[in-house]
Amino acid sequence: GDSVTQTEGLVTLTEGLPVMLNCTYQTIYSNPFLFWYVQHLNESPRLLLKSFTDNKRTEHQGFHATLHKSSSSFHLQKSSAQLSDSALYYCALSERNRIFFGDGTQLVVKP
Amino acid sequence: ETAVFQTPNYHVTQVGNEVSFNCKQTLGHDTMYWYKQDSKKLLKIMFSYNNKQLIVNETVPRRFSPQSSDKAHLNLRIKSVEPEDSAVYLCASSYGYEQYFGPGTRLTVL
Repeated sequence: GDSVTQTEGLVTLTEGLPVMLNCTYQTIYSNPFLFWYVQHLNESPRLLLKSFTDNKRTEHQGFHATLHKSSSSFHLQKSSAQLSDSALYYCALSERNRIFFGDGTQLVVKP
Repeated sequence: ETAVFQTPNYHVTQVGNEVSFNCKQTLGHDTMYWYKQDSKKLLKIMFSYNNKQLIVNETVPRRFSPQSSDKAHLNLRIKSVEPEDSAVYLCASSYGYEQYFGPGTRLTVL
């Protein structure tokens, strides 16, 4: 069945270093939508990025991701981490009115 | 600005009790969802409703039941809560696939 796999658990970075959170997915559907949601402490998840176009970079709030259907990946990147980027990040896959979330990756950015 | 509203914010109850959580969205979306976010922050979809029809029903215990009066409202009832039901319950709505989440209801079962 469909599934999403993310970088496991906790990622700790020093401010200013690049961010890369991995996301790979499995689906038999040829046109999935991929999303990154971000959840800050004591808040609910909100959309950060979305894409359904193969090999097209999508950007928002300094983050970017490119859907690569050949490798079933949608990795989240940022060139320079900020303290405010500390949050829980979910990768999600949607197709045919169904949605699948990864287990989430906790990002902690330290000074 | 919050467009998905949930009540209550918190609820503490004892094993075996019945609880109900309310959700309303003012976005005009066609589909609404209930998610459970457990203590490990795993986000699991429980139900989704599209135009008052259940279209996705993940394997959840029978004591959980969604209730919808119209496409702007989707409530969640738990008939007889158990300790493992302690979690944050998130309501969401969507037009297409993008999810808009409410603030959540934190349930604690003693």
